[in-house]
Formats: sequence, C-alpha cells, structure tokens
Amino acid sequence: DADVTQTPRNRITKTGKRIMLECSQTKGHDRMYWYRQDPGLGLRLIYYSFDVKDINKGEISDGYSVSRQAQAKFSLSLESAIPNQTALYFCATRGKGPGNQPQHFGDGTRLSIL
Amino acid sequence: QQQVKQSPQSLIVQKGGISIINCAYENTAFDYFPWYQQFPGKGPALLIAIRPDVSEKKEGRFTISFNKSAKQFSLHIMDSQPGDSATYFCAASEGSNYQLIWGAGTKLIIKP
Repeated sequence: DADVTQTPRNRITKTGKRIMLECSQTKGHDRMYWYRQDPGLGLRLIYYSFDVKDINKGEISDGYSVSRQAQAKFSLSLESAIPNQTALYFCATRGKGPGNQPQHFGDGTRLSIL
Repeated sequence: QQQVKQSPQSLIVQKGGISIINCAYENTAFDYFPWYQQFPGKGPALLIAIRPDVSEKKEGRFTISFNKSAKQFSLHIMDSQPGDSATYFCAASEGSNYQLIWGAGTKLIIKP
C-alpha cells in the first residue's frame, strides 16, 4: 500500500460546486502539505500543517480551505470551484528533523472544473 | 527574492549522453537544495540534495554541482537512459523554515 494516499485520483466537476480532496498517510509524519501543479509553474504551496492544531497558509491559499482531522489525514476543500482551479493537486508529508528530511508525495488528484 | 529559476523547460538527450539541468536563485539564505524526479501519474520523489558547504555531490549517475558565488546549481545525469525520462524539479529552502521553493520543472526525454 502507498504511504501517502490521495482520493479521488481524478475528478471532473462544474463551476460553483464544493469539492473535497482527501489525503491520508501511514508514515507517522507530523507535517503535511497541499500543492498544486500547473505546467510551466512547478509546484505551488496551498496550505501546510505541522500538527493537528497548526494550519498555515501557503503561497496560493485564496479559494481553498483545509482540515487536519487527525495526524494522518489532511483534506483540501474548494468551496466554490472555478475553472482556473483546474490543476494537478498533490499532498505531501515530512517527518520532524533537520531540513534534509525529504517530502513524500502522493500520486496526485487530477481536477477538472468545467 | 524567493524565486528559483529552472532551465531548460524541456530537454531531449540521446541515450548514453549527459543531461544537464540548471537552476538559479536569489535568496542567499537558502541552505538546502534538493532535486526531485517525477514520472507520469506519480508524485515527485527526492532524487538527490546538496547543502552549500560542498560544491558537488554524486550519487551513482546523478551529480549536483553547486556554485555559491554565482547562486546556481545544476543536475548532471551521466550515461542517460530511457528510464531517466521524467520531469525534474529543483527546489530550495531556508533554515528552520523547511518550506521548499520550487523551480518550474524540466521535462527530460531520453531517446533510445
């Protein structure tokens, strides 16, 4: 089984709909991240969480919200989806320790908003 | 100040050749420089990383070269193989922040 699992893997929805993307991990890591990937733009950080009670905005948090339901679960919501939120979304985790701890990524959710 | 600029956007290399991807940064406080490799349908995975106290780090066919004065670092893939075809991202982070600032990515194709 994958260490970082994202659901759904693909989603097509309409403008204005509320959408939730879910991430769960079995790595026991405290730190979790949500990124979006767009061609030519790399990965941009949406939100990150250092533990259940610690949620922080990233570079592009507008239009998104998150919930850290447990150490192992971190969900991303689009309250009212718009077409320019069409992208590939990744969840990642990282353990505590010095900066050379790698981030571990799920396989992504491809989201299309019509 | 926070950007990491990566080039080229795409690269085609013959099997057995050397692939070179470059990144430049402005923030002199960055102290950790990883490269991630991403295959289609998968998330990025750490490939190799370097700290600015060394000028080069080699792991198998993959080498990072780091030039602190020029604020540049590069990934070299020796004897490139079709299985190396992937998208490569450079990134950087600063101190205890550990937030990665990502380059735009390079799509590498190795022709057999």
